[in-house]
Amino acid sequence: EPEVTQTPSHQVTQMGQEVILRCVPISNHLYFYWYRQILGQKVEFLVSFYNNEISEKSEIFDDQFSVERPDGSNFTLKIRSTKLEDSAMYFCASSMGWTGTDGYTFGSGTRLTVV
Amino acid sequence: ILNVEQSPQSLHVQEGDSTNFTCSFPSSNFYALHWYRWETAKSPEALFVMTLNGDEKKKGRISATLNTKEGYSYLYIKGSQPEDSATYLCAFGTGTASKLTFGTGTRLQVTL
Repeated sequence: EPEVTQTPSHQVTQMGQEVILRCVPISNHLYFYWYRQILGQKVEFLVSFYNNEISEKSEIFDDQFSVERPDGSNFTLKIRSTKLEDSAMYFCASSMGWTGTDGYTFGSGTRLTVV
Repeated sequence: ILNVEQSPQSLHVQEGDSTNFTCSFPSSNFYALHWYRWETAKSPEALFVMTLNGDEKKKGRISATLNTKEGYSYLYIKGSQPEDSATYLCAFGTGTASKLTFGTGTRLQVTL
């Protein structure tokens, strides 16, 4: 069964450093997403991406965040200057249709720890 | 601000028990309601996506119903097994946004 793969599974970084989280969505999916879950809180939306541009972003997704689909297969989330409060589990997901009427396929996440 | 609530927060049942959880969501601007099953250290797995009021879906021992007029969905597990132990997440989608708003989840533990 097709999978969404995320690398790395864990990342520890110092405050102020840049991190890039990588994802390979399912190849025939059209919509791509990043979500995150801070420990003990709800899974929250960061950004959606369609047709090589951002469709929607949340208020969390400020100028420190960016996404890219550089080569038609990878989908990356960059945090330019990490803060302690960016520590969370980051999930990539993809779907065939709008708002995932077929359901999203999630990756297993990258646990980011900012120290 | 969209608020999606799930209850109970956690549930501990014995093997063979049947159980159900609730997801409540805004009744306006509804587009889709998703249920996911999330086992520890794995990725959330889509169980159901429901779009129509009165929808009922079933996958094996798990089923779900949807009431968009009053803004709730139930997830039922018949004859719980230890492998059903997971967190069950619901998520609400509107037609005007490409995002899902998630509930806090119901953590189910099934013991022998």
